[in-house]
Amino acid sequence: GQQLNQSPQSMFIQEGEDVSMNCTSSSIFNTWLWYKQDPGEGPVLLIALYKAGELTSNGRLTAQFGITRKDSFLNISASIPSDVGIYFCAGQEGGSQGNLIFGKGTKLSVKP
Amino acid sequence: DAGVIQSPRHEVTEMGQEVTLRCKPISGHDYLFWYRQTMMRGLELLIYFNNNVPIDDSGMPEDRFSAKMPNASFSTLKIQPSEPRDSAVYFCASSPQGTEQYFGPGTRLTVT
Repeated sequence: GQQLNQSPQSMFIQEGEDVSMNCTSSSIFNTWLWYKQDPGEGPVLLIALYKAGELTSNGRLTAQFGITRKDSFLNISASIPSDVGIYFCAGQEGGSQGNLIFGKGTKLSVKP
Repeated sequence: DAGVIQSPRHEVTEMGQEVTLRCKPISGHDYLFWYRQTMMRGLELLIYFNNNVPIDDSGMPEDRFSAKMPNASFSTLKIQPSEPRDSAVYFCASSPQGTEQYFGPGTRLTVT
């Protein structure tokens, strides 16, 4: 079945640093989404992308829909301790309304 | 506004017992999803409903799992009989259009 490769698996960074993570798929997606999950809670939607090449920001977060439609990137600028958590990418193929495929997540740790 | 509500938050049961997980979606959302999350397999879609009708149940592991949505504001996921390998966090999510999905806090199930 369809798989998403998300990297890196984990990151340890210093507070104030910028963070980059990405997701690649083996086929074309029509939609990319990025979620964040805190311990003991459900994933929270951060950003949704609907067009190839689209660049969307949400505060210090910026995500891009890759031009090939097979990848997406999430950047966090000037990280703070509350950015700690697991970030998931999710993609949806055309014609598969409802079927989101999730990456395995990037675990972010921030040292104050 | 209330988000997705799930109950119970934690469930510990013995192998062979019936387990029922409950979900109240966000009012006005037409789609409802059940996911399972484990360390090994990540987030897996089990089943989803559109307007209370099951659309795709291909992710349901086996006949021991069943899901119902008797009305727009309530859904259940039932496991009968439960087995230790069913131990996981089960999430319910709802969506207005099937793509941007909003997750509940999850039910942590432990089967001993």
